[in-house]
Amino acid sequence: DAGVIQSPRHEVTEMGQEVTLRCKPISGHDYLFWYRQTMMRGLELLIYFNNNVPIDDSGMPEDRFSAKMPNASFSTLKIQPSEPRDSAVYFCASSFAWGTEAFFGQGTRLTVV
Amino acid sequence: GNSVTQMEGPVTLSEEAFLTINCTYTATGYPSLFWYVQYPGEGLQLLLKATKADDKGSNKGFEATYRKETTSFHLEKGSVQVSDSAVYFCAPVNCPTGNQFYFGTGTSLTVIP
Repeated sequence: DAGVIQSPRHEVTEMGQEVTLRCKPISGHDYLFWYRQTMMRGLELLIYFNNNVPIDDSGMPEDRFSAKMPNASFSTLKIQPSEPRDSAVYFCASSFAWGTEAFFGQGTRLTVV
Repeated sequence: GNSVTQMEGPVTLSEEAFLTINCTYTATGYPSLFWYVQYPGEGLQLLLKATKADDKGSNKGFEATYRKETTSFHLEKGSVQVSDSAVYFCAPVNCPTGNQFYFGTGTSLTVIP
């Protein structure tokens, strides 16, 4: 397996634009996580899914953020409208089962200008 | 809120020095415990793990022992190398609130020659 695949690796967008980040988890993994990493706040869990169902979205900062997982092999994190304070590295991770290792993607570096 | 307390960084050590990064967690029951490492410009990757009390996880010269009585999982290495420079994250999983990995800000380690 190629591991968790995220796209794009880098995204630069203007304030107010819609941004969509994509993630392909490892095949067979039941859990998918979205994280945001900044210098100030570290690595924050935004939302996680189990079998494509959102379980905990309490970390999603605002209504401008939404995440979907239409099937077991694809998830998106959307920001609409984007703001400069959304600039961060966004990571997707997946794990096989409860309490097992999470595998991380390479991340998407988002810059909102 | 977070369920892990990790030693504040940054930490700077000379090559071949002894390393300890403290980690304590809050949980009911028996979480699995993980240490992840993030090298510059990369995603997180698993360093070691322990799934039950008194287990010792080890990898690449790093060790950590699951201490249920002190709810700790301190990371140690007897002789660090320049290549160990990275950010280290302690993460308990299967805490009361679910299967989330809470990572926080991590501990930045710089090893100088």
